[in-house]
Amino acid sequence: EPEVTQTPSHQVTQMGQEVILRCVPISNHLYFYWYRQILGQKVEFLVSFYNNEISEKSEIFDDQFSVERPDGSNFTLKIRSTKLEDSAMYFCASRFERGGQETQYFGPGTRLLVL
Amino acid sequence: AQTVTQSQPEMSVQEAETVTLSCTYDTSESDYYLFWYKQPPSRQMILVIRQEAYKQQNATENRFSVNFQKAAKSFSLKISDSQLGDAAMYFCAYRSLGGADGLTFGKGTHLIIQP
Repeated sequence: EPEVTQTPSHQVTQMGQEVILRCVPISNHLYFYWYRQILGQKVEFLVSFYNNEISEKSEIFDDQFSVERPDGSNFTLKIRSTKLEDSAMYFCASRFERGGQETQYFGPGTRLLVL
Repeated sequence: AQTVTQSQPEMSVQEAETVTLSCTYDTSESDYYLFWYKQPPSRQMILVIRQEAYKQQNATENRFSVNFQKAAKSFSLKISDSQLGDAAMYFCAYRSLGGADGLTFGKGTHLIIQP
C-alpha cells in the first residue's frame, strides 16, 4: 500500500542552524501538508501546498519557514534559523481529492531536536 | 475559527470491553469532515475513521464506530472488544469542506488497555 515517507527520522541541530526536512507524498496525491507536534501537545497545522504554491498557512508558519516541491516527488520544509522552541515532531501529510477522498495520510514524522 | 475539544485526557478500559472517547467541536460551517487518528508510542499518526458531516449514517470500521451528533457538534469514538494494540493517543480532528485547509486537532485522549 502506498505511504508517505519522511527523512530523516531524527535530526539534532544547533540553535541558529538551518534544517531541511524531507517528505515523499503518495505519488498521485495533490495536496501536501506539514504539521508540528511539540512533545506532549496536540498536533498543529503549519502549511498546506497545492499546485506548486502555498494554499494556507498558520500563524506558526512565519518567515523562518519555507516549503518547496523541488521535483515531482519530494516536498520539503526548511527552517532557516532554528530556535529551541522548534524542537518537535514534524509530520508531512498528503491527500488526493477526488470523489470524497478527503483523508490525509501522514508520514512517520521527523523528530527534530534543537540544542 | 474551528475548535476541537477532547475533555478526557486519559481513559482506561479492560481488554475486551468497550470504551467511548468524547469529542466536541465548534464551527459555523454546515459541511465538513471529522476524523479520529490514533498515535501509538511510535508517534505515527494513523487514520482510524472518517465521517462526512452531510452523511447522517454513523461511520464504522470493524471494531471502531462513531456517534456523530451534528446538532450537538459531538463526534465520539466507540471501540468495541478493546485489544492491547489499541493502546495509544487518540486525536479527534476537523477539516473544512473543499479547499486545502489543514486539520484542526483536539488535545488527544490517552487510552490505556488493562489486560
